[in-house]
Amino acid sequence: GDSVTQMEGPVTLSEEAFLTINCTYTATGYPSLFWYVQYPGEGLQLLLKATKADDKGSNKGFEATYRKETTSFHLEKGSVQVSDSAVYFCALGGQNFVFGPGTRLSVLP
Amino acid sequence: NAGVTQTPKFQVLKTGQSMTLQCAQDMNHNSMYWYRQDPGMGLRLIYYSASEGTTDKGEVPNGYNVSRLNKREFSLRLESAAPSQTSVYFCASSEAGGRNSPLHFGNGTRLTVT
Repeated sequence: GDSVTQMEGPVTLSEEAFLTINCTYTATGYPSLFWYVQYPGEGLQLLLKATKADDKGSNKGFEATYRKETTSFHLEKGSVQVSDSAVYFCALGGQNFVFGPGTRLSVLP
Repeated sequence: NAGVTQTPKFQVLKTGQSMTLQCAQDMNHNSMYWYRQDPGMGLRLIYYSASEGTTDKGEVPNGYNVSRLNKREFSLRLESAAPSQTSVYFCASSEAGGRNSPLHFGNGTRLTVT
């Protein structure tokens, strides 16, 4: 069946550091791919999405490119802030979403 | 625009008690979902409703029932709560339930069963 693998962390970075969170997937067909972010005590919020190969999703300085050849959708940000501290989930879209386990990011001032 | 609203935010139950978690969305979405989130287990789908009038089991339906009351509301019922049902419960909705439709989540209900 469909599955998502992502680095579980925790990932700890200093403010202004470069961020990469790896995500790879296994799926039949051509799913849409999503990144969600969860701040403490809140629900998941859509961060960005890509619906076909080579699409780049971007939002709030975060980017991810849908790579069909490597079945990957890695999340990147050039300069993280303390306010980016959260848990990040990679997900396959469809009638029933498939979520990765989440990666906890802590950004230190 | 409230999005997806869940009530209550917190609940403590004794083993064997029953309760209903309420969820409502104001985005005119067709599909609604109930997930539970547990440490180390990620998000697991309990039940979903692809459209008004239909419901289907997800990955972990045992011990739960659902009702799609109308297009806006989707409730989750625990008939006889067990400690294993201690979790954070999230309701979500999507416009069409298809591959391109993102899920929109509520802020969760934190349930403890003692």
